[in-house]
Amino acid sequence: AQKITQTQPGMFVQEKEAVTLDCTYDTSDQSYGLFWYKQPSSGEMIFLIYQGSYDEQNATEGRYSLNFQKARKSANLVISASQLGDSAMYFCAMREGGTGANSKLTFGKGITLSVRP
Amino acid sequence: DADVTQTPRNRITKTGKRIMLECSQTKGHDRMYWYRQDPGLGLRLIYYSFDVKDINKGEISDGYSVSRQAQAKFSLSLESAIPNQTALYFCATSDPGTSPYEQYFGPGTRLTVT
Repeated sequence: AQKITQTQPGMFVQEKEAVTLDCTYDTSDQSYGLFWYKQPSSGEMIFLIYQGSYDEQNATEGRYSLNFQKARKSANLVISASQLGDSAMYFCAMREGGTGANSKLTFGKGITLSVRP
Repeated sequence: DADVTQTPRNRITKTGKRIMLECSQTKGHDRMYWYRQDPGLGLRLIYYSFDVKDINKGEISDGYSVSRQAQAKFSLSLESAIPNQTALYFCATSDPGTSPYEQYFGPGTRLTVT
């Protein structure tokens, strides 16, 4: 089974509107972390937001929030008030194995977001 | 200056050639990683190193080797390049002592094998 699933095809959103990018995950670990990274057309990977499995509150970072539903094993990224600069590929990733020798980060296949003016 | 640098940024090489991709970091992190990105497949881990004496295979290590020359330097080699190694390669670093222990990525090396 895939560890991280991002199944949405290319997403489109109107500038200034909100958009949700879906991510589901699969793990048997009790302690894990979920990350979202942004990859603009220039290619670099930019860390956006993190949610720990024990965090009771959904993470927020500026216009980004993470809708974490642990029982459903989903960690959707919500971008509010979309901007043209939000057009990019977005990757969901999961860290298992804590911070020790077995720690590893697994990425989903990514979702392309296009913001329309 | 960028914290994680990769050289070269772009490289075109021929099948069968040996090629080395280099990564340097000024973040002082012990942990370093090499990933490759293919369209539609996301990032996949090739090798990782948790300190200078520690090298571990990732998900797709066949056809690759690495060298950790120092805490700050981690090189990826393709001993005999083949066309299906054409991809975008990323180096990353992390520090387990910092929360949330995210990985910091270099700018990537776009490799084309003809």
